[in-house]
Amino acid sequence: RKEVEQDPGPFNVPEGATVAFNCTYSNSASQSFFWYRQDCRKEPKLLMSVYSSGNEDGRFTAQLNRASQYISLLIRDSKLSDSATYLCVVSGNQGGKLIFGQGTELSVKP
Amino acid sequence: DAGVTQSPTHLIKTRGQQVTLRCSPISGHKSVSWYQQVLGQGPQFIFQYYEKEERGRGNFPDRFSARQFPNYSSELNVNALLLGDSALYLCASSLGAGNQPQHFGDGTRLSIL
Repeated sequence: RKEVEQDPGPFNVPEGATVAFNCTYSNSASQSFFWYRQDCRKEPKLLMSVYSSGNEDGRFTAQLNRASQYISLLIRDSKLSDSATYLCVVSGNQGGKLIFGQGTELSVKP
Repeated sequence: DAGVTQSPTHLIKTRGQQVTLRCSPISGHKSVSWYQQVLGQGPQFIFQYYEKEERGRGNFPDRFSARQFPNYSSELNVNALLLGDSALYLCASSLGAGNQPQHFGDGTRLSIL
């Protein structure tokens, strides 16, 4: 079993749609959780941290369920510029080790 | 303020050669981590350095080594290159060594012929 698993993609949605990404992780001792986005052939960029109480940043909402070891990202009113690969990221056992899922590609169409 | 900077941007090597990749963290960041990303996968952790000491190592062979300098910049060395080492090598920096967000450089795209 992979340490971090994400929905297989790609997701193809029209502009204005709401899209949800799901992620599960295997290490119950993980302490920190993030969503990164990565544009084609670019570096990953931090989208948001994920907190147990859930958190929102504009059109983006992240949720964490520690009991189920499940993380989600909801994008409302999707824009063409949201097209990218979304990476679910979990902290590992070693200090600053981040464990990345394989990513889910999103394509927003006009 | 400058972000994480990596050099070179692209590199072409042949099997058996050695390569050194360089990274400068964001000013004030003391931790540098290295990741390898092959096409279609998420980045894989190679090393973390904090205050010039290795704090974590991923599941990579001993051909991979790294170090951090007093100014917190870092080098990743790979010896005896294999075709499978072709990947995007990413450097990330953070303030400390703990579980906090890391900020990535543009990466070095390494191709092995």
